[in-house]
Amino acid sequence: GESVGLHLPTLSVQEGDNSIINCAYSNSASDYFIWYKQESGKGPQFIIDIRSNMDKRQGQRVTVLLNKTVKHLSLQIAATQPGDSAVYFCAENMDSGGSNYKLTFGKGTLLTVNP
Amino acid sequence: IAGITQAPTSQILAAGRRMTLRCTQDMRHNAMYWYRQDLGLGLRLIHYSNTAGTTGKGEVPDGYSVSRANTDDFPLTLASAVPSQTSVYFCASSVGQGAVDTQYFGPGTRLTVL
Repeated sequence: GESVGLHLPTLSVQEGDNSIINCAYSNSASDYFIWYKQESGKGPQFIIDIRSNMDKRQGQRVTVLLNKTVKHLSLQIAATQPGDSAVYFCAENMDSGGSNYKLTFGKGTLLTVNP
Repeated sequence: IAGITQAPTSQILAAGRRMTLRCTQDMRHNAMYWYRQDLGLGLRLIHYSNTAGTTGKGEVPDGYSVSRANTDDFPLTLASAVPSQTSVYFCASSVGQGAVDTQYFGPGTRLTVL
């Protein structure tokens, strides 16, 4: 089954509001987590990452929080803009053996920003 | 710098035909990957390559083959296409295949097999 999942498949917010997208993971040995943004008709675009030895990391308008106790990851987008409308994927990087790491993706959350 | 390019952008293919999807990166990344993306199933790894000359199987390798003759190119071949291979295919690359190596994705190829 999926080792990375999302609590909400869709999220609709008003422009200017803050958005929070959640992700659960099941592998406590995962070392690295990434959030990707995918706009319609395009490939996934790297947004922000976090290592397992951190619990928070901030970028430009985005913050990723990692709670290893409950195996939960979230992406916070401040002052959401129409251009933020996209599908957001979390991914965990796991050692598949011999120090070969593989990304496992969640199914994605569709964020819609209403003007 | 273009990053990762894929060709064709889209293709309609008759079942049973052979098809090669092309992927080229100019970042001198060692590792490259092929994923398929299907609605409700997310991104699934088909094949990967740690470095030129080596390849490995991912989660859904059946019906696909890859080669890595050089650092830049990583073509994906469907020897005899079937309708279940209708999907959007993404190529990705990363500096290495280590614990904190970020993968960067191409724009994708939309393939329809009839």
